[in-house]
Amino acid sequence: AQSVTQLGSHVSVSEGALVLLRCNYSSSVPPYLFWYVQYPNQGLQLLLKYTTGATLVKGINGFEAEFKKSETSFHLTKPSAHMSDAAEYFCAVIDTSGTYKYIFGTGTRLKVLA
Amino acid sequence: DARVTQTPRHKVTEMGQEVTMRCQPILGHNTVFWYRQTMMQGLELLAYFRNRAPLDDSGMPKDRFSAEMPDATLATLKIQPSEPRDSAVYFCASGLAKTGGGYEQYFGPGTRLTVT
Repeated sequence: AQSVTQLGSHVSVSEGALVLLRCNYSSSVPPYLFWYVQYPNQGLQLLLKYTTGATLVKGINGFEAEFKKSETSFHLTKPSAHMSDAAEYFCAVIDTSGTYKYIFGTGTRLKVLA
Repeated sequence: DARVTQTPRHKVTEMGQEVTMRCQPILGHNTVFWYRQTMMQGLELLAYFRNRAPLDDSGMPKDRFSAEMPDATLATLKIQPSEPRDSAVYFCASGLAKTGGGYEQYFGPGTRLTVT
């Protein structure tokens, strides 16, 4: 079965600094991978997704992620953090071995320091 | 701009009372999910429907929780009787799943339940 691991439950960066949120997945077949963001008191919303094709995926708000099969990773990056990026970020994979439900990581809370 | 809607947005109830949460998925979506989010447990999948049929409810406490889709425009999650440990934010999400393909989930704003 597929799974995802997010390294670091809390990450702090200075405003303007690089944002790097880590996600590793486990899958015996080509995975469908996602990053979602949750702002306070809101539901999750899709940042970006990888299904097939180009391994560098661009999403909303300047975020991007690169699918690296050799490293089984799908890390999320943004060149310059903004205060409005403070939120919780979830990596997810679709469980293609079963019912096609989502398997979510445990989330990484990003704090942006002024 | 199609959205998943959930009612009520907030619910405060006393222990032992029945709680019903409702969700209207995006029109045309064939999958519906119920999640529960707490600080301690994080995001947990409670139930999953495809074409209104339950596919997975292994995450749901069967003795008190029930989830149904009376029709394609309504999903319900009931708790009877409610307990303080059920206090959480409950999210509904919907998506259009295609065989063998990836699909996106769209989340509602959640129902914040407090059981006293």
